[in-house]
Amino acid sequence: AQSVTQLGSHVSVSEGALVLLRCNYSSSVPPYLFWYVQYPNQGLQLLLKYTTGATLVKGINGFEAEFKKSETSFHLTKPSAHMSDAAEYFCAVTVAGGTSYGKLTFGQGTILTVHP
Amino acid sequence: DSGVTQTPKHLITATGQRVTLRCSPRSGDLSVYWYQQSLDQGLQFLIQYYNGEERAKGNILERFSAQQFPDLHSELNLSSLELGDSALYFCASSVRGGRETQYFGPGTRLLVL
Repeated sequence: AQSVTQLGSHVSVSEGALVLLRCNYSSSVPPYLFWYVQYPNQGLQLLLKYTTGATLVKGINGFEAEFKKSETSFHLTKPSAHMSDAAEYFCAVTVAGGTSYGKLTFGQGTILTVHP
Repeated sequence: DSGVTQTPKHLITATGQRVTLRCSPRSGDLSVYWYQQSLDQGLQFLIQYYNGEERAKGNILERFSAQQFPDLHSELNLSSLELGDSALYFCASSVRGGRETQYFGPGTRLLVL
């Protein structure tokens, strides 16, 4: 079975500062990894995903993430935070094949607050 | 707008009752997924349908059931409702499944009183 751990349920940064949201996964087979964002009273929107190939993945709104197999990590970063980035962020994993194929297992989420 | 629609947006009901949540996937998507989001359990996968057939099941209670119809819309039926069933229920869709992006609807917020 797969699992995801997001370190830090709340992260607070100043506008213009680096955003770093941490995600570690556990999987016995190669994972497919996703970051989703949820704005208040809305559904989840995909920021970026890693399936195969390049381990540094660029997404929307200036976010990127790097898949590090040796560290079982998929941390999300953005060089300069904007007020509009304030939201809840979810890391998720699925794997190829078996009964878990396509089923997303989510972390507990990280609420990002951006201060002016 | 993800292209996934869910109705109703809000639902208030009493314990012991039964409700039906509806989801229309994006045009062309064959897979539909249901997730439950609650404060204590977080986001949890419930069930997946592909082209009308159940493909994967998560921690879905026996009181809950789902189906996908020939026009590919899906319904999640929740019966004998309990206070703890109060949550946000999301539907997502993708073309087939696997590592594809799942597109989420806006959710149905269920409150059981």
